Amino acid sequence: EDKVVQSPLSLVVHEGDTVTLNCSYEVTNFRSLLWYKQEKKAPTFLFMLTSSGIEKKSGRLSSILDKKELFSILNITATQTGDSAVYLCAVLMEYGNKLVFGAGTILRVKS
Amino acid sequence: EAGVTQFPSHSVIEKGQTVTLRCDPISGHDNLYWYRRVMGKEIKFLLHFVKESKQDESGMPNNRFLAERTGGTYSTLKVQPAELEDSGVYFCASSQVHYGYTFGSGTRLTVV
Repeated sequence: EDKVVQSPLSLVVHEGDTVTLNCSYEVTNFRSLLWYKQEKKAPTFLFMLTSSGIEKKSGRLSSILDKKELFSILNITATQTGDSAVYLCAVLMEYGNKLVFGAGTILRVKS
Repeated sequence: EAGVTQFPSHSVIEKGQTVTLRCDPISGHDNLYWYRRVMGKEIKFLLHFVKESKQDESGMPNNRFLAERTGGTYSTLKVQPAELEDSGVYFCASSQVHYGYTFGSGTRLTVV
């Protein structure tokens, strides 16, 4: 069965800290790995990773994919209270365009 | 560009009743998806429409769930009759290309 596992399940840090969120996967036909941020409502897109070893950056957030070891990390530097959210990792399947999600990491940034 | 709109945002119904959730995708998006998050579990795929056709409904839990997409525009997801285990948040998403998913805010369904 296709599976995406995120760790840690939850995390509490102080403003200014750097955090690393992990995502490992075992799927039958991988196309891409996506990261989403979910605050109160709709998951919002952060990154899509298709190739190994190429870091994607957006401000204080960055992410990289390792297709040999089947994992990805999401880094957030200089965290702010506005980074508090659930971070979701999902694998986009090669056939059918469906996403297989991990359970998410709940991040709380304390001021 | 208007986003994906879902309504209602919340619904509380009694076991055995019927509920219909609606999703309006982004205009022009051929692909429409339904997902569900049951308490404490991952978000799970339910089904995928391409225009008005069901492309993949492998995630639909049972025949109490019926999804339609009229004329390739908005979609409805009907649960009839609802059971307690149907409680959760139902997300809709749309895309025009393979990976450009935009999610709606979800409908929180509580069956009591």
